[in-house]
Amino acid sequence: SQQGEEDPQALSIQEGENATMNCSYKTSINNLQWYRQNSGRGLVHLILIRSNEREKHSGRLRVTLDTSKKSSSLLITASRAADTASYFCATDAGNTGKLIFGQGTTLQVKP
Amino acid sequence: GAVVSQHPSRVICKSGTSVKIECRSLDFQATTMFWYRQFPKQSLMLMATSNEGSKATYEQGVEKDKFLINHASLTLSTLTVTSAHPEDSSFYICSASGLGRNTGELFFGEGSRLTVL
Repeated sequence: SQQGEEDPQALSIQEGENATMNCSYKTSINNLQWYRQNSGRGLVHLILIRSNEREKHSGRLRVTLDTSKKSSSLLITASRAADTASYFCATDAGNTGKLIFGQGTTLQVKP
Repeated sequence: GAVVSQHPSRVICKSGTSVKIECRSLDFQATTMFWYRQFPKQSLMLMATSNEGSKATYEQGVEKDKFLINHASLTLSTLTVTSAHPEDSSFYICSASGLGRNTGELFFGEGSRLTVL
């Protein structure tokens, strides 16, 4: 079952703008991960944030986690056309690698 | 990063035939592999968890006799869609975790697109 809800479902911005995507989940987690998927391709791991962390950065990516609200956000700063893709959050309840994915946000960055 | 390879990337078959998809970990020993299914414009749905040397664990609603999973070695898991029907057409993706890899981080294959005519 899918426990992650993401919003917005679709986001269209201009190159250079920031893109923010949100993810909510229902159960307790050990970690939350964000993945990127280009159309028709596999998933690329972006960032993992553990349940005891509140914020994490990786390049132009910033992820926050609020376990009290069971939500996470992914911010992509200074977006580029190459960032156009679908972005999924995924939660791992038991550090087993068994991930439950959110519905995803489709991001379009216009050049 | 670790590399997980899937083969074939695309397959078209006739209704009633069986199709095998391979998932290989190329540079690490994958103790666990996961098989996901993704319909167009939808998210990934976990189908089953495959542990090397043991029977796969299927998610609720996934027919184990329909989707045969074999994980005979630490570098290879296979998914066989038996007696495929058009409704089985989908994008199948595997992921792997294993020895020497960070806990929680998975590596995904490029996916296999199955079209059943």
